[in-house]
Amino acid sequence: DAKTTQPPSMDCAEGRAANLPCNHSTISGNEYVYWYRQIHSQGPQYIIHGLKNNETNEMASLIITEDRKSSTLILPHATLRDTAVYYCIVRVAQVGVTSGTYKYIFGTGTRLKVLA
Amino acid sequence: DVKVTQSSRYLVKRTGEKVFLECVQDMDHENMFWYRQDPGLGLRLIYFSYDVKMKEKGDIPEGYSVSREKKERFSLILESASTNQTSMYLCASSLGRQETQYFGPGTRLLVL
Repeated sequence: DAKTTQPPSMDCAEGRAANLPCNHSTISGNEYVYWYRQIHSQGPQYIIHGLKNNETNEMASLIITEDRKSSTLILPHATLRDTAVYYCIVRVAQVGVTSGTYKYIFGTGTRLKVLA
Repeated sequence: DVKVTQSSRYLVKRTGEKVFLECVQDMDHENMFWYRQDPGLGLRLIYFSYDVKMKEKGDIPEGYSVSREKKERFSLILESASTNQTSMYLCASSLGRQETQYFGPGTRLLVL
């Protein structure tokens, strides 16, 4: 029951901006969008998250469309170390369990390759 | 910096063995989670805990149990390992129920 759709792979030239799209057309009003990345054989690393406003931190920017049905993660100056699988995740409320708990719905991610 | 550690990076066990996977976090987080990751299936939640001695089933709890005796430690137990439990197991923790989850490095388990 993945709530996100991402392209399976993308390439980006080193030093250029990497723009990773994600569709989440069934997202509900109170569900956050999270982005993580996973470098080979390591655990997922948190990047950024947002609800409806655009967000920026030291790693990336997150642009969410006004209707919230899609978003784009932007790595402003990609380096070789940014080569990884990038996951766009919707955080949903747990159903049927203790109130106030949430879970991540992971999709299959985008394999980003940064080229020298 | 949040630090989540897992007891082993790689583990090989035989069918029927009891397997313990340990996870420790050093940031006094309330919530801890166990996921498994399989090719083509992404990450799937097995169990989570929102307090000491408290646990809730995730999406695929069958064949697993968990233990949280101390706030910093969350154990995943495979009572009788089977080959279909060969997978990458990931532990995560978060400060509050709505907070960002931070993941450990993972344990790659092979059941023969």
